[in-house]
Amino acid sequence: GDQVEQSPSALSLHEGTGSALRCNFTTTMRAVQWFRKNSRGSLINLFYLASGTKENGRLKSAFDSKERYSTLHIRDAQLEDSGTYFCAAEATGNTGKLIFGLGTTLQVQP
Amino acid sequence: NSKVIQTPRYLVKGQGQKAKMRCIPEKGHPVVFWYQQNKNNEFKFLINFQNQEVLQQIDMTEKRFSAECPSNSPCSLEIQSSEAGDSALYLCASSPGGQDTQYFGPGTRLLVL
Repeated sequence: GDQVEQSPSALSLHEGTGSALRCNFTTTMRAVQWFRKNSRGSLINLFYLASGTKENGRLKSAFDSKERYSTLHIRDAQLEDSGTYFCAAEATGNTGKLIFGLGTTLQVQP
Repeated sequence: NSKVIQTPRYLVKGQGQKAKMRCIPEKGHPVVFWYQQNKNNEFKFLINFQNQEVLQQIDMTEKRFSAECPSNSPCSLEIQSSEAGDSALYLCASSPGGQDTQYFGPGTRLLVL
């Protein structure tokens, strides 16, 4: 079936540095969402993209449907960025159901 | 940033018992999704609705779950006969449209003993 492969599974950054998370899709996806799980366990919306790139503060996301991937870039990481990040994609011709990656656990250290 | 409400937050049931959880979508969101997240961070889509109509559901949901989204009442998802493997976090999400941003509630954590 349709799959979302998210990497890395775990990431450690020092404050002020940056990195990228990536999701590869086994099939063409219509759109992608990125979430962060907060300390209370709730999924917080970061981005929704049907194409191109979006930026919000220190976060930037890109989605390429044709090349079957999406990325989430974090720059100038802060301690409060620590948490688990998920990407989730909508397959084309679907009713909107999301297919999730397994998450990236980010730890930001002083 | 989500206004989706889910109750109860925690639910403990014995095997064979019914387990019912509820979701109030964000105001103005006609589309509601239910997902199951297990302890390995694997998400499974269960069912979605547009207003009161089922859009799509998986085989397991059709056979073992009862779900509805009546007008002017919370949506609900009920496991007819709970199994140990049903222990998971059940997430409800709502959306302004079928192919649009989904906003998730905090989930109902079910433990089947």
